[in-house]
Amino acid sequence: EPEVTQTPSHQVTQMGQEVILRCVPISNHLYFYWYRQILGQKVEFLVSFYNNEISEKSEIFDDQFSVERPDGSNFTLKIRSTKLEDSAMYFCASLLRGPLNIQYFGAGTRLSVL
Amino acid sequence: SQQGEEDPQALSIQEGENATMNCSYKTSINNLQWYRQNSGRGLVHLILIRSNEREKHSGRLRVTLDTSKKSSSLLITASRAADTASYFCATKGSGGGADGLTFGKGTHLIIQP
Repeated sequence: EPEVTQTPSHQVTQMGQEVILRCVPISNHLYFYWYRQILGQKVEFLVSFYNNEISEKSEIFDDQFSVERPDGSNFTLKIRSTKLEDSAMYFCASLLRGPLNIQYFGAGTRLSVL
Repeated sequence: SQQGEEDPQALSIQEGENATMNCSYKTSINNLQWYRQNSGRGLVHLILIRSNEREKHSGRLRVTLDTSKKSSSLLITASRAADTASYFCATKGSGGGADGLTFGKGTHLIIQP
């Protein structure tokens, strides 16, 4: 069964460093998403991406964040200068536009900012 | 309360019993979905119910939706130890486009063997 894959599973970084989280969405999907989940809290929407541009973004997705689909298969989330409060699980999801409208999630990347 | 609030926050039952979790939301929706998350793992989609549907079944899962009360319930029948997980409802707004999902805080379900 096709699945969304995310790498790495765990990323440790120093405060102020840049990180890139990688995702390979399901191959024929058209919409891509990033969410985050701070430990013990609910999953929060960050950004959606369609047709090579951002469709929607939340208040969390400030200038420190950017997304890119560099090569038609990968979908990346970059955090330019990480802060302690960026520590969270980051989930990628993809969706094939259609009547079911189900977003399929990857297993997540745990980001630890020290 | 916030969009997509589940209750109870935690539920512990015996294996074989039924588990019921509730979710409330505030804005108009296109659909409502339930996801499961095992500890430290990703989100697994369970079931989707559209705003014009009132009830849906999938295996041991039964979901209801009451748009007049802006609420939904997830029933898991004949629970098993493997059902131990956190369960989240997530709503998709009616605005169309590539809307992100709005998740609730989740119900942590523990099935005692």
